[in-house]
Amino acid sequence: GAGVSQSPSNKVTEKGKDVELRCDPISGHTALYWYRQSLGQGLEFLIYFQGNSAPDKSGLPSDRFSAERTGGSVSTLTIQRTQQEDSAVYLCASSLTVLTDTQYFGPGTRLTVL
Amino acid sequence: GDSVTQMEGPVTLSEEAFLTINCTYTATGYPSLFWYVQYPGEGLQLLLKATKADDKGSNKGFEATYRKETTSFHLEKGSVQVSDSAVYFCALAAQGGSEKLVFGKGTKLTVNP
Repeated sequence: GAGVSQSPSNKVTEKGKDVELRCDPISGHTALYWYRQSLGQGLEFLIYFQGNSAPDKSGLPSDRFSAERTGGSVSTLTIQRTQQEDSAVYLCASSLTVLTDTQYFGPGTRLTVL
Repeated sequence: GDSVTQMEGPVTLSEEAFLTINCTYTATGYPSLFWYVQYPGEGLQLLLKATKADDKGSNKGFEATYRKETTSFHLEKGSVQVSDSAVYFCALAAQGGSEKLVFGKGTKLTVNP
């Protein structure tokens, strides 16, 4: 079956603009996760959803970052007023539930803020 | 908090050499342990995992054993191939669930013919 998909694959934006990144999890997976991969910080957890709820937002770097999930499926990560330090690869993963320890990752969105 | 420390790279080997990438962790209880691999230009893929002490995960000739006494999960392969060139990440998920994975910094492996 289809894996986790993310769009766009690449995004170049100007500092100060808002961006939206999309994630489609594996069908039937109720848990969805966002991570950020950058040269300086490695792989960092941002937020996870169980269904449409986000019990843990502790990894979001600032209030410019937000995420939502609708219908227990697609999720959108929004970054407002982008800064150069937001440049990174944003990875989405899903798992059957949060009690299922294996997460399956999408190909990522490479964000470049000029 | 939970953390993972893995051997810093890069690691360069010749084909058919033996590979070890060290990984140790700090966590409460009994986390699940993983190795993920990222091939050039591709996304993260699960390579292997172990969910309890003394379990051995294995896949594609790679192995790792969950050692509770040394809090380690070292990755090994007896004979590497050029196609194994990739970045390898050790990770843990806290006992009882995987609200988040905690990753090591990654180790870049290059295998030369």
